[in-house]
Amino acid sequence: AQRVTQPEKLLSVFKGAPVELKCNYSYSGSPELFWYVQYSRQRLQLLLRHISRESIKGFTADLNKGETSFHLKKPFAQEEDSAMYYCALSAQGGSEKLVFGKGTKLTVNP
Amino acid sequence: KAGVTQTPRYLIKTRGQQVTLSCSPISGHRSVSWYQQTPGQGLQFLFEYFSETQRNKGNFPGRFSGRQFSNSRSEMNVSTLELGDSALYLCASSPSGSGDTQYFGPGTRLTVL
Repeated sequence: AQRVTQPEKLLSVFKGAPVELKCNYSYSGSPELFWYVQYSRQRLQLLLRHISRESIKGFTADLNKGETSFHLKKPFAQEEDSAMYYCALSAQGGSEKLVFGKGTKLTVNP
Repeated sequence: KAGVTQTPRYLIKTRGQQVTLSCSPISGHRSVSWYQQTPGQGLQFLFEYFSETQRNKGNFPGRFSGRQFSNSRSEMNVSTLELGDSALYLCASSPSGSGDTQYFGPGTRLTVL
């Protein structure tokens, strides 16, 4: 079974501090991992996916298959990063089914 | 390009009724997926349609059904509504339905009284 766990429901940091949002997954195959973000009053949108290895808005995430983790990191948090963050997994093989974690609400304080 | 649109944005129904929600994908996108979002269960996959065929289905009862039309627009239907069906229903579209980035709509907020 596919499962995504985000252990922190809430995370609060100060502006300029590093931030790490944790994500662990369970899947027997080779998954595709994503981070989606939902800003206040906006729709859910893709932040980044592991296969593209991009850095978006200063965020990066590395897939660690040994630890089955895909933590999201940013060295210096900004107030505009305050949002709900969801880690998601997709099984390879042409399926668009996404399995989401429960989400982490990040608050960046001034 | 216009984004994914969902209608209606809000719905109030009573137990036992049925409801139909509509999703218009981004132009050119052929895959449409539906998700249910609740505070307790989070985001859960309902089903995915590609080229008018249901390709994948989540773990929901048969009261939840959907379809896709030749223009890729999709509808989902919930029959015999229960209080627990109150949720935000999100639709997402992607170009080819093969591990593409999914683009989400704003959702339809369904309240069952």
